[in-house]
Amino acid sequence: AQSVTQLDSQVPVFEEAPVELRCNYSSSVSVYLFWYVQYPNQGLQLLLKYLSGSTLVKGINGFEAEFNKSQTSFHLRKPSVHISDTAEYFCAVSEGPGNAGGTSYGKLTFGQGTILTVHP
Amino acid sequence: NAGVTQTPKFRVLKTGQSMTLLCAQDMNHEYMYWYRQDPGMGLRLIHYSVGEGTTAKGEVPDGYNVSRLKKQNFLLGLESAAPSQTSVYFCAIKISRGYGYTFGSGTRLTVV
Repeated sequence: AQSVTQLDSQVPVFEEAPVELRCNYSSSVSVYLFWYVQYPNQGLQLLLKYLSGSTLVKGINGFEAEFNKSQTSFHLRKPSVHISDTAEYFCAVSEGPGNAGGTSYGKLTFGQGTILTVHP
Repeated sequence: NAGVTQTPKFRVLKTGQSMTLLCAQDMNHEYMYWYRQDPGMGLRLIHYSVGEGTTAKGEVPDGYNVSRLKKQNFLLGLESAAPSQTSVYFCAIKISRGYGYTFGSGTRLTVV
């Protein structure tokens, strides 16, 4: 089984400042990692995902994340935020490839969410 | 959220009433999921299905039942609603090719 911890429930930041949203995960098997964004009263939109390969993943809207296997982290970053980035962000994990006998059936496990508020 | 339709979008129930939420896909994917979203708790898996006629329990299945009689539809039922089931419910499907998910737009349920 996997678990995800988002270390900050709320992150306030000023416009044009950099931001980092932290995500740690726990798993006994290899994983796939995701970041989703949810704007107020809307559904979930995929920002980016790590499946394999380069540990630095670039996503939409200028966001990127770095997979760190030794620290079991997948932190999300943006060098300069906009007011429109105000939203809730979710880190999620699912069982990855090559796990013989895996029975996760692609289930996603989500973190608790981080509310990013960008102030003018 | 093209390809995944959730109905209804909003509903208010009285305690003890029943209802069914429908998740419909216009594709042919095998894996479908129901999640609930509550403040500060992220999304938690209620039930899931890996194909027509199959269902399984997720993390928080109590008080819910599901059915997948047709591959395109995944139904979530509340037999006797409780205020603790006030939540936003999301359906998701796992894309068969590649690796990704499509989420429905959500159902906001209030139980009074």
